[in-house]
Amino acid sequence: TQLLEQSPQFLSIQEGENLTVYCNSSSVFSSLQWYRQEPGEGPVLLVTVVTGGEVKKLKRLTFQFGDARKDSSLHITAAQTGDTGLYLCAGAGGTSYGKLTFGQGTILTVHP
Amino acid sequence: KAGVTQTPRYLIKTRGQQVTLSCSPISGHRSVSWYQQTPGQGLQFLFEYFSETQRNKGNFPGRFSGRQFSNSRSEMNVSTLELGDSALYLCASSLWGGAETQYFGPGTRLLVL
Repeated sequence: TQLLEQSPQFLSIQEGENLTVYCNSSSVFSSLQWYRQEPGEGPVLLVTVVTGGEVKKLKRLTFQFGDARKDSSLHITAAQTGDTGLYLCAGAGGTSYGKLTFGQGTILTVHP
Repeated sequence: KAGVTQTPRYLIKTRGQQVTLSCSPISGHRSVSWYQQTPGQGLQFLFEYFSETQRNKGNFPGRFSGRQFSNSRSEMNVSTLELGDSALYLCASSLWGGAETQYFGPGTRLLVL
């Protein structure tokens, strides 16, 4: 079974700080997706990274796929209270053929 | 386009009962997947239906079952409920399913007493 480990599990920071969330696996994935989930809602896709070494930017969010396609990171610059939520990474491909494998998630709280 | 809808949003049941949850996918999406989300286990894949056929299945006991109708709407059933079945059940749809981007509904919060 392919596993995705996210770290840290919990992150509590002040508005304006930077942060990085990591998603690691011992297995290779063909692509990796990042979702954000707010309380009372389902996860919403932020980005999909496909190519090893790929970097994608979404305003203050920067996503990177590792060269070996086994890991990914999400970096938020100058966090805002609206960034508060659960961040999930999900891998596709490999032995998880036909479905996504989700990490445990990182709960981010940004204080004003 | 309307998003994925799930009914009911909240449900309270007692041990031993059974429950049926409903999911209406985004119009045109033929794949519906179900996930169980708990604080301890995170998001776990239950099963995926495509064109009324179960195409993929996670590691859950046979008490968890589902079906998909010709209009792509899906239902999930849990029989003989256990306390550990308390969770948020999320439905997600996509055009072709598999490892495509999943569009999630708001979930059904099930509490088993």
